[in-house]
Amino acid sequence: EAGVTQSPRYAVLQEGQAVSFWCDPISGHDTLYWYQQPRDQGPQLLVYFRDEAVIDNSQLPSDRFSAVRPKGTNSTLKIQSAKQGDTATYLCASSLVGTDTGQLYFGEGSKLTVL
Amino acid sequence: AQKVTQTQTSISVVEKTTVTMDCVYETRDSSYFLFWYKQTASGEIVFLIRQDSYKKENATVGHYSLNFQKPKSSIGLIITATQIEDSAVYFCAMREGRGSNYQLIWGSGTKLIIKP
Repeated sequence: EAGVTQSPRYAVLQEGQAVSFWCDPISGHDTLYWYQQPRDQGPQLLVYFRDEAVIDNSQLPSDRFSAVRPKGTNSTLKIQSAKQGDTATYLCASSLVGTDTGQLYFGEGSKLTVL
Repeated sequence: AQKVTQTQTSISVVEKTTVTMDCVYETRDSSYFLFWYKQTASGEIVFLIRQDSYKKENATVGHYSLNFQKPKSSIGLIITATQIEDSAVYFCAMREGRGSNYQLIWGSGTKLIIKP
């Protein structure tokens, strides 16, 4: 069974540029999470979906960050007008409701550096 | 608000010994789930072990076990017979939410270094 796939693995931007991160969850997983992990910190939830619906995006900086999961499978996280403070690893995770009690499966992350 | 705290930033031990990593949590829920995850050098985060709050027995998986002290809101991770490949960052997390809509609240992590 394929795991969670993320791309690109690395991105280096100048301030003000935009970037998109893509996530392919484990097949059949209905719930998808995007986390931001600054260096030497724990993951911080940005947004999560159940199928194509947003369940919680309260931690997403809505003015520059956006996330979609149009068909309830793959997802894209976009950062517009990036700032140095956005430098972090962006992690995607997935799970299947009803088959576990909270275990998440993570991708290897997309490491963003904003210069 | 729920909170998870890991006060140990880094631990270094010699291979084949036992190590304990601490974690304390805050919650108003009567039923909750606690997790330990490991982040490898590649960046991938993998699930290790889970403790359900209503269970009195400490969870054990392979050479990982938990020391669950509910009155102290504490969930320590114990790794016995440590190996070099256990070197990683270990995160404690707690499930927050109701029904099928939940998220994990994470600690800041403990870096474990296993020396030969």
